Amino acid sequence: QQQVKQSPQSLIVQKGGISIINCAYENTAFDYFPWYQQFPGKGPALLIAIRPDVSEKKEGRFTISFNKSAKQFSLHIMDSQPGDSATYFCAASKETSGSRLTFGEGTQLTVNP
Amino acid sequence: DTGVSQDPRHKITKRGQNVTFRCDPISEHNRLYWYRQTLGQGPEFLTYFQNEAQLEKSRLLSDRFSAERPKGSFSTLEIQRTEQGDSAMYLCASSFTGGAHYGYTFGSGTRLTVV
Repeated sequence: QQQVKQSPQSLIVQKGGISIINCAYENTAFDYFPWYQQFPGKGPALLIAIRPDVSEKKEGRFTISFNKSAKQFSLHIMDSQPGDSATYFCAASKETSGSRLTFGEGTQLTVNP
Repeated sequence: DTGVSQDPRHKITKRGQNVTFRCDPISEHNRLYWYRQTLGQGPEFLTYFQNEAQLEKSRLLSDRFSAERPKGSFSTLEIQRTEQGDSAMYLCASSFTGGAHYGYTFGSGTRLTVV
């Protein structure tokens, strides 16, 4: 049962461009939506996260947009850099379930110089 | 503190053998999670501990899998009678009570290859 669906599977952008990754979830009980960045051979690292009571959160070049009614959220990476090339995962959790994370399938981002 | 440490980083084993992985969480963290990640997929939850108590196990965790966290410190994940389908990256994460809401820290994982 896939509760978090992520798209696109892969994304290629030019340096300085905007990278946009989308996720949709099914379980309305989810109350925390993080994005993780993963480099080859490493574990996922928390990038930015949002709760459903806000519609947008920005940290540096990274912004999450959240649409509670549509059950969708997205990650925007502004001024994308080659060092941003990695796999990005959206996830969702609910505190009452011990905060175990349900991950999307991942997006492999390549930023060309 | 150097973060979440996992050992070994890589393990190659023959089908049918038993393997054990170790995870050392961040010392102040009382929650510890195990996830499995196959190539090209997101991590999938296996089980989690709060202190020494194992509070939840996924249906993915067959009876060949067992996890322990004695004394609420490090944890071990054992797979008995390994199968080729067990080949994956096994990730450990730790956090404070409140879990993901207070920020997980993942280790670099143990990559298991069953031949």
